[in-house]
Amino acid sequence: QKEVEQNSGPLSVPEGAIASLNCTYSDRGSQSFFWYRQYSGKSPELIMSIYSNGDKEDGRFTAQLNKASQYVSLLIRDSQPSDSATYLCAGSSGGSYIPTFGRGTSLIVHP
Amino acid sequence: DVKVTQSSRYLVKRTGEKVFLECVQDMDHENMFWYRQDPGLGLRLIYFSYDVKMKEKGDIPEGYSVSREKKERFSLILESASTNQTSMYLCASTPTGNTIYFGEGSWLTVV
Repeated sequence: QKEVEQNSGPLSVPEGAIASLNCTYSDRGSQSFFWYRQYSGKSPELIMSIYSNGDKEDGRFTAQLNKASQYVSLLIRDSQPSDSATYLCAGSSGGSYIPTFGRGTSLIVHP
Repeated sequence: DVKVTQSSRYLVKRTGEKVFLECVQDMDHENMFWYRQDPGLGLRLIYFSYDVKMKEKGDIPEGYSVSREKKERFSLILESASTNQTSMYLCASTPTGNTIYFGEGSWLTVV
């Protein structure tokens, strides 16, 4: 059974701080990883994808992948109240088009 | 931009009614999915399709069926709606092994 695990939270951080969201996965064959943001009552929207070990930066967001430890993280720098949402981690293996989603981590950024 | 359109956003149906949820994508993606999302349970895969007229059961197919007569359209059918099918339904599509794109969601209430 492929699993993607996330702490459900809520993770509460003050405005301007770095928010760190973590995700572990069980399938060693997973090659592609995705972070989605989902506001309450809305559908998930893609923030970042990462395929290689290391860091990938896009504006205030940095995704980190460590395949040896089967660990993916998302850092949000200079967190804003508008970042308050649920963040979903997903992984998919090379031969499969079916991603496995975690249950999401709720992030609250307070002023 | 990829667009996945769910034509019915908010529906209220009576127990026992037949319900159709339609989804159309405009990017010629091979793969399409139907999920439902409930608080605390995350995204659960109902059915997916990797080609026209092809379908596979996901994790929770009971009480649902699907139809894919054209590549761009994937329909979810509730043959006899029940109150425990009250949920948010998300359609998604993806080219193989790549980012999954979600529609805006359909909120179904069965009374």
